[in-house]
Amino acid sequence: SQELEQSPQSLIVQEGKNLTINCTSSKTLYGLYWYKQKYGEGLIFLMMLQKGGEEKSHEKITAKLDEKKQQSSLHITASQPSHAGIYLCGADLGGSSNTGKLIFGQGTTLQVKP
Amino acid sequence: DAGVTQSPTHLIKTRGQHVTLRCSPISGHKSVSWYQQVLGQGPQFIFQYYEKEERGRGNFPDRFSARQFPNYSSELNVNALLLGDSALYLCASSLERDTEAFFGQGTRLTVV
Repeated sequence: SQELEQSPQSLIVQEGKNLTINCTSSKTLYGLYWYKQKYGEGLIFLMMLQKGGEEKSHEKITAKLDEKKQQSSLHITASQPSHAGIYLCGADLGGSSNTGKLIFGQGTTLQVKP
Repeated sequence: DAGVTQSPTHLIKTRGQHVTLRCSPISGHKSVSWYQQVLGQGPQFIFQYYEKEERGRGNFPDRFSARQFPNYSSELNVNALLLGDSALYLCASSLERDTEAFFGQGTRLTVV
């Protein structure tokens, strides 16, 4: 089983709608990182969360790490076609906040219909 | 500023051959990591190098090796290629081991 579970696996939304992607771990997340990937391309860094209860926003994307540091959510407000892609959560589960040894979820594929 | 650059972008190799993939980190970044991403899955950690020393190794066979050079660039080598090695190979760099990691565009390796 995956150490990091993302849900849903895929999502189709109408442009302008809000959406949420979840990332859950059975272990404490020592650093949680959200990336976006266009098919077959590299990962684009979105946000890094390190403290329980932390919340960060960039443009229309907000990410939160729960107090127990075992779940994170990524929320997109008023989705646009440019938000389409694969969203990946990554984490260091080893307790050292090492960003060079990340475990990734399987990804959530987002389609935004105009 | 140049981001993480990887070469080549695409590569086709035959089973049993050897391949070398290259990565140039963002200027000043000392940590370089390699990941393998097969279709439909998240990236899997292969190696991390920091200050030219191996600092971590994922669950990959000894056919996979890597090194980091004095200028912090890195090479990933894979020997005796198998069909299952076909994947997107990603390189990531970070300033330090606990700062955000930035990824290159990847090398698409196809083994036939």
